[in-house]
Amino acid sequence: KAGVTQTPRYLIKTRGQQVTLSCSPISGHRSVSWYQQTPGQGLQFLFEYFSETQRNKGNFPGRFSGRQFSNSRSEMNVSTLELGDSALYLCASSSLRQGAYEQYFGPGTRLTVT
Amino acid sequence: AQTVTQSQPEMSVQEAETVTLSCTYDTSESDYYLFWYKQPPSRQMILVIRQEAYKQQNATENRFSVNFQKAAKSFSLKISDSQLGDAAMYFCAYRRGGGSNYKLTFGKGTLLTVNP
Repeated sequence: KAGVTQTPRYLIKTRGQQVTLSCSPISGHRSVSWYQQTPGQGLQFLFEYFSETQRNKGNFPGRFSGRQFSNSRSEMNVSTLELGDSALYLCASSSLRQGAYEQYFGPGTRLTVT
Repeated sequence: AQTVTQSQPEMSVQEAETVTLSCTYDTSESDYYLFWYKQPPSRQMILVIRQEAYKQQNATENRFSVNFQKAAKSFSLKISDSQLGDAAMYFCAYRRGGGSNYKLTFGKGTLLTVNP
């Protein structure tokens, strides 16, 4: 099976702009989670979607939003970008294996806000 | 709220030697899972090993094993016969049990260097 794919891999945006990141989960996986990784804050949970519904949300402002499509592909959107939004954004898809829901990560999208 | 603490920001080990990475966590839940993830310089996060809280037996995956001390809320990773390819950032992660919450809470990570 193909792994989790994320596009684009690198992105440079200007403060105030908005950005959309895309994630395609492993075939058959219905859950997609998003994480932000920065040197200062580490890995922080953004939100999780399952069957097109947001089930869990982390402590991020409303500028961060997401959605999931019927084919389980997910997008996350950040509006009114701030310098502090520069980060690696990781997407993970989950499956049930031996009773545990393991998460498989994509390579990430490196967002730089200038 | 659950927290995960990795007290060793950096560790180094000689090739072929054994190294242990530490992790402690705090939770009031009884049903949960613990994971170790590896993030090499290319940034693809890879699952190394997982442990179910209800299992007393420590998980093992080839050269990787854990020491799970539930009462002490400790979850260390032992890497035996270290290889150059083991060099990476290692993250300890916690997930609450149940089928409706996939959120992972991560520690800050331990950067492992393997010396030839």
